[in-house]
Amino acid sequence: GNSVTQMEGPVTLSEEAFLTINCTYTATGYPSLFWYVQYPGEGLQLLLKATKADDKGSNKGFEATYRKETTSFHLEKGSVQVSDSAVYFCALSGTGNQFYFGTGTSLTVIP
Amino acid sequence: KAGVTQTPRYLIKTRGQQVTLSCSPISGHRSVSWYQQTPGQGLQFLFEYFSETQRNKGNFPGRFSGRQFSNSRSEMNVSTLELGDSALYLCASSWSLTFSSYNEQFFGPGTRLTVL
Repeated sequence: GNSVTQMEGPVTLSEEAFLTINCTYTATGYPSLFWYVQYPGEGLQLLLKATKADDKGSNKGFEATYRKETTSFHLEKGSVQVSDSAVYFCALSGTGNQFYFGTGTSLTVIP
Repeated sequence: KAGVTQTPRYLIKTRGQQVTLSCSPISGHRSVSWYQQTPGQGLQFLFEYFSETQRNKGNFPGRFSGRQFSNSRSEMNVSTLELGDSALYLCASSWSLTFSSYNEQFFGPGTRLTVL
């Protein structure tokens, strides 16, 4: 079946530090992969996506590369800001295209 | 383009009551999905509707039901509320051209349901 496993949180970083949030998936077929972000008191917002192997999604300084050989879609940012504090969700949509979300990783960036 | 809207934003009910939540998708989106979000269980998929038909269903008891109207607006209903139903209920819409096609989901702000 389809599933997403993402790095446990919470993660606390200092401003300008490098961020990596790990995400691996199990899927049949050729899923599309997504990162969503949830700010306090809000719904989820699409951060970036990749629809096929070796695609790199990027947005607001965040990047993630669809790695079929390692079934991974790790989220990275070179220099985090306080405003990046939020919960990040990795997700996939596969055959039948139901969305499967990871458990979320809480990020806090301190000045 | 207006985003996904959900009403009400906050709701307080007591055990045994029933509740109806509403979701208006982005204009042109025909698919609406519902999720339950709790600190312990994370995001759990409830069901998804496309053109008034339920297309996918998660593993929730029959107390949770939904429907979609011809204008793509959707409602979900929870009957005989339990304390464990306290959660943030998120609605998401996506653009699907046909019953077998899908696209990324756009989320509303959610309805915070508290069951006392």
